[in-house]
Order: sequence, then C-alpha cells, then structure tokens
Amino acid sequence: GESVGLHLPTLSVQEGDNSIINCAYSNSASDYFIWYKQESGKGPQFIIDIRSNMDKRQGQRVTVLLNKTVKHLSLQIAATQPGDSAVYFCAERIQGAQKLVFGQGTRLTINP
Amino acid sequence: ETGVTQSPTHLIKTRGQQVTLRCSSQSGHNTVSWYQQALGQGPQFIFQYYREEENGRGNFPPRFSGLQFPNYSSELNVNALELDDSALYLCASSSDGFMNTEAFFGQGTRLTVV
Repeated sequence: GESVGLHLPTLSVQEGDNSIINCAYSNSASDYFIWYKQESGKGPQFIIDIRSNMDKRQGQRVTVLLNKTVKHLSLQIAATQPGDSAVYFCAERIQGAQKLVFGQGTRLTINP
Repeated sequence: ETGVTQSPTHLIKTRGQQVTLRCSSQSGHNTVSWYQQALGQGPQFIFQYYREEENGRGNFPPRFSGLQFPNYSSELNVNALELDDSALYLCASSSDGFMNTEAFFGQGTRLTVV
C-alpha cells in the first residue's frame, strides 16, 4: 500500500551543526518527492523537491538525497539556525496520481 | 509567501452544522488540492480540482464536497459536521493537475467542531 514514514519522530541538534532528517517510503511507483517545513500554526512550506530520475538535489543550505534501491529519502540541513526549528514532512506522489502522501513528520529542535 | 490564501483562518462550528472554506490559488495555477491535517499528523488528501472538475478523491465521505470557479479559486464544503472533523484544512495550489509543478500550500483554516 501507500505509506510514507519517518525513522525519527524528534531530532534535537546544536545550532550550527548539520541536521539529517530521514524518510522511508514503500511505493516503488512514486516518482516525485517533496520536503515541507511546517511551523506552528502555519501551512507546510515547500523546501525542496526531487524526481525519481535523480538521486541528489541541492538548494540553499539544504540537500535532498534519494535512494530508490532502499526506498529512502533524506533531507540535510547545513549549519542549522534557530529558524529551522519546525516539523518536517516528506511527501511522495505516486506516478499518475494527483495526491501527495505525507508521513507523520519529524520535529526538529535547534539548541542554542 | 506562497500567494495561496485561505479564509477564514479559524472557525468554530457545532456538530451537525455545515461549513464552507475558501481558497485562492497562486497566480497562474489552475489546480487546487484540499488536505485535512489532524493534530500531530501529516496532511491527508481530500480531493483535487482541475479546470473546475474534480480530478481525484481521497478516502473521505460524500459529505465532503468542493467546487472550483473559473478564476480557479475553490471551496471545500463539509456537511453534517462531526467532532472528528476538527482539524487544519489546507489547500495546495499547482498547475496541470499537479503533474509537472510543485504544490504550494496556504496557511490553512483551523476548524473546531464542538
């Protein structure tokens, strides 16, 4: 069936350190993946996406890695800042479908 | 700012009542998807509207219905509200039925059913 899950529900890191948030997905027919950041009381904010024909994509301070062999997705945040504290969701789109399937999210806390 | 606006931001309704939530999509986008996000959970797909037609539906009962207007704004209607309908309702704006572009979310409407 469709499912997107996260290995770690909470992650606490020191300010300035790098963070890695992991995500497992189960549907091999998924062709598009997005990472969203959601702050309290707000809607999900698009961070970065990656298509299934790629294995790495970089943005500003963020990198997404896709390992289709083990159905694993990760989000790396470099030099974390207090403003990075939020819940992070990975979401997958199954090829041909109209919807995104979200996991439960990982709460990232940045310690000063 | 994503350019996706939702109204109202908060709403309290009584069980059994009906509610209408509104979403204005980002300029240039012709597709609106609605999601329900319960507290502590990821968003769950309700349905999508593309060029004024429903273009996919999640596992939600028929009392969840929607509309899309010629300007691509959209409404979500929920009839016979139940306590479990209390959630953050999100709309996501995209293009071409969300086949080729990112989906950008609005801030959501927080619905509380009492």
